[in-house]
Amino acid sequence: EAQVTQNPRYLITVTGKKLTVTCSQNMNHEYMSWYRQDPGLGLRQIYYSMNVEVTDKGDVPEGYKVSRKEKRNFPLILESPSPNQTSLYFCASSSAAQGDGYTFGSGTRLTVV
Amino acid sequence: AQSVAQPEDQVNVAEGNPLTVKCTYSVSGNPYLFWYVQYPNRGLQFLLKYITGDNLVKGSYGFEAEFNKSQTSFHLKKPSALVSDSALYFCAVRDYSGTYKYIFGTGTRLKVLA
Repeated sequence: EAQVTQNPRYLITVTGKKLTVTCSQNMNHEYMSWYRQDPGLGLRQIYYSMNVEVTDKGDVPEGYKVSRKEKRNFPLILESPSPNQTSLYFCASSSAAQGDGYTFGSGTRLTVV
Repeated sequence: AQSVAQPEDQVNVAEGNPLTVKCTYSVSGNPYLFWYVQYPNRGLQFLLKYITGDNLVKGSYGFEAEFNKSQTSFHLKKPSALVSDSALYFCAVRDYSGTYKYIFGTGTRLKVLA
C-alpha cells in the first residue's frame, strides 16, 4: 500500500531534550515536506526537500533540522525543543510531476513541557 | 506571490442540503489547485484537483469543485451533504515556478447538522 509513515503518533517530552520524528514513504517520491498545524493558523511548512541531499527552509524553520540522505526518509529533528513547538506535525510526499497531489502521514502530536 | 484564501472559518449546513466551501487564489502562472479533507485525528486526504480542462472537477466522496479563472476561485461543492462530511477542508495551490511548494489556505470547518 502506498503510504507515508510517521513515528511516533504521540510524544510528550521535556524542554531541551533532543528528539527525532521519523518519516518514510514507499512511493519513490522526489518531494517531501514537513508541516505543523496549529489552530487558526492552518498548515505551515517547516522544511522541504526536492530530492536526496536537497533541502530548504519553509515558512517556519526556526528550531528544526532535517536531512535527506535517502529518497524514502525525511526525519525532522528538534535539537532543543521548547513549549512553543507543541503542535501537530505532518510529513507529506509527492512526485515532482505537475498535478501530483500530496500523500500525508497520519501526524505526530508533540507536547513539550 | 502565490496565496490561497479560505474566507470562512466554519460552514454549517443541514444534512441533505447542498454545500459550498469557498477558496480564492492568487498565482503568477497556471494554477494547479487542490482540495484536501482532514477528519478528526487523521492526516489530510486528497479530494480532487484542477490542472487544466473542464472547469468542473469531480473528486472523491461525491465532491466536486468549480474553477473560475475570472474570479480566481476554486469552490468546493457537494449537491447533498452528509453528516459524515463534517471535517476540516483545506484548499491548496502548488507553485511550479521552482520550489514545487504547496501553499495551503487556513482551512474551513464544515459542520453538517442532522
